[in-house]
Amino acid sequence: QSVMTQPPSVSGAPGQRVTISCTGSSSNIGAGYDVHWYQQLPGTAPKLLIYGNTNRPSGVPDRFSASKSGTSASLAITGLQAEDEADYYCQSYDTSLSGSVFGEGTKLTVL
Amino acid sequence: QLHLQESGPGLVKPSETLSLTCTVSRGSISSRSYYWGWIRQPPGKGLEFIGTFYYNGATYYNPSLKSRVTISVDTSKNQVSLKLTSVTAADTAVYYCARRAAGTTGYFDNWGQGTLVSVSS
Repeated sequence: QSVMTQPPSVSGAPGQRVTISCTGSSSNIGAGYDVHWYQQLPGTAPKLLIYGNTNRPSGVPDRFSASKSGTSASLAITGLQAEDEADYYCQSYDTSLSGSVFGEGTKLTVL
Repeated sequence: QLHLQESGPGLVKPSETLSLTCTVSRGSISSRSYYWGWIRQPPGKGLEFIGTFYYNGATYYNPSLKSRVTISVDTSKNQVSLKLTSVTAADTAVYYCARRAAGTTGYFDNWGQGTLVSVSS
């Protein structure tokens, strides 16, 4: 069980907006450490989606955005498309572990 | 474009040592700008951070695996290696190598395709 909690699943219809939360604590997100997000399409390796809380790597559509506040972070996907159906993971640093930690992961289903 | 490729046995017997190699191409593992790490994913489950190696020899291991893990590099071959001793069925997973940006909360910006390792007799 991870020290960063995500909802097991979220869903939305094409064109809609969905958000995925990543809830941490004062030993990780709340301590000011950056949060990063990854997208894992079925059967593939994770891909960096957001880094440094809000930044998109080159090639990631601006439909994907993220924010961080207090002990939580959130990933938003607007204009949902069928190709967005994937697992999404947050990642940060945890002082109690003295290292990187991933969230539990959230499965996004496009209805 | 950086490329990472994991290789190693797909089947390991319980109590034995899991050994994997990550060959890095179109990039140097001696760079000060990056760490080189291993992450695993049990079938149907989430990602678990295993550890990282930095060019100066510094290593970090997940406390839950620390007593069994060793990450090392061969700079002459531009390879990063993972050894996990005394494996059990719980170590069955897809193992990924990845490059991590330097810094306390560095992100993993390049990943290998992953290799499935099953632990079974």
